[in-house]
Amino acid sequence: QSALTQPASVSGSPGQSITISCTGTSSDVGGYTYVSWYQQHPGKAPKVMIYDVSKRPSGVSSRFSGSKSGNAASLTISGLQADDEADYYCCSYAGSGTVVFGEGTKVTVL
Amino acid sequence: QVQLQESGPGLVKPSGTLSLTCTISGGSIISSHWWTWVRQPPGKGPEWIGDTFHSGNTNYNPSLKSRVTISVDKSKNQFSLKLSSVTAADTAVYYCASHAVTGTDWFDPWGQGTLVTVSS
Repeated sequence: QSALTQPASVSGSPGQSITISCTGTSSDVGGYTYVSWYQQHPGKAPKVMIYDVSKRPSGVSSRFSGSKSGNAASLTISGLQADDEADYYCCSYAGSGTVVFGEGTKVTVL
Repeated sequence: QVQLQESGPGLVKPSGTLSLTCTISGGSIISSHWWTWVRQPPGKGPEWIGDTFHSGNTNYNPSLKSRVTISVDKSKNQFSLKLSSVTAADTAVYYCASHAVTGTDWFDPWGQGTLVTVSS
């Protein structure tokens, strides 16, 4: 079970859109529709932003959206805001009751 | 609304056993959710450690399976983590979380996390 691959950092100006990729294998991301994304501010616990590839929990802004194609998933943040600056982690079901997280992406709002 | 709180020693000696407890409030451990432990080494991404169901069934990360035990105490609405033979590499913030798995897969809510340092 290897960590899912994410870019180390992504940046954008306020109001812009950014996309974070998450690459796995056919044993995790590509094999199931169970990809979730977590936002983590410094010193805080992760917070779910997207689950089941593209579903948003109640209370999460519609500026956050998710998608998947093959072994790769993506998180898009539109209308970038200062408070979006955080670390983002993808997560996928990997079969047999196991789960694997991504390496993480630091989002910087310029 | 369900809230989770981790508790346990913040310092463990090398080769010792790390023991943490997660107390559930605002809900029952007897639910359709599984109960999870996740850890995050300083400056790194989260690592799933394992899950337990209220029945006592468990799933573990294959890389940690030989050293991990997750158990449930329904009378106290708690679940616990034991990690044996610890080394400095086990130093991390340890989180407990609720894991929704019925036709879905996501973690919410999370506890605030507790830092465990392995050092002599």
